[in-house]
Amino acid sequence: KAGVTQTPRYLIKTRGQQVTLSCSPISGHRSVSWYQQTPGQGLQFLFEYFSETQRNKGNFPGRFSGRQFSNSRSEMNVSTLELGDSALYLCASSSGHATNEKLFFGSGTQLSVL
Amino acid sequence: AQKITQTQPGMFVQEKEAVTLDCTYDTSDPSYGLFWYKQPSSGEMIFLIYQGSYDQQNATEGRYSLNFQKARKSANLVISASQLGDSAMYFCAMREDNFNKFYFGSGTKLNVKP
Repeated sequence: KAGVTQTPRYLIKTRGQQVTLSCSPISGHRSVSWYQQTPGQGLQFLFEYFSETQRNKGNFPGRFSGRQFSNSRSEMNVSTLELGDSALYLCASSSGHATNEKLFFGSGTQLSVL
Repeated sequence: AQKITQTQPGMFVQEKEAVTLDCTYDTSDPSYGLFWYKQPSSGEMIFLIYQGSYDQQNATEGRYSLNFQKARKSANLVISASQLGDSAMYFCAMREDNFNKFYFGSGTKLNVKP
């Protein structure tokens, strides 16, 4: 079974630009969640999608948005990039139903904003 | 208030010795799950161990065990017989039944010395 796939692995953008990150979950998983990781900050929850609907949202500005397609693949978009958006963005998938269900993570997209 | 607190930003342990990584959590939900993940320098998050709030016994997975003290709201990870490959960031996480959202701590960087 293929794992969670995130593309691209690395991105370099400049302030003011926008960026789209992609995540393909494990086959059969309907929940995809996104996290931002910066040094010393741990993982901060961005949002979770389940069956094409945003089910949960973290405390990020509206510049951060996402969507999920009917095949459960998800994209995350960040508009008007700021220097502080430089981070590792992790995507995780699960079936989305059980409390004891672990998240399966991708390798992440390392975004650098110059 | 922080949902997950990891008070040890960094720790050192001698190879072959045991080490305990601390984690406390905050929730009023009676049903929740606690997780530990390992993140090597490659960036990918690796699931280590799970403990359910109703589980009577402490979870164990090979060299990993979880010291679960419900009344104290702590879920410490114990790694026995440390190996050089255990050097990584370790994250404690919690999922509440009511909100279907994962909360992560800020992590502990473990260095295993030869």
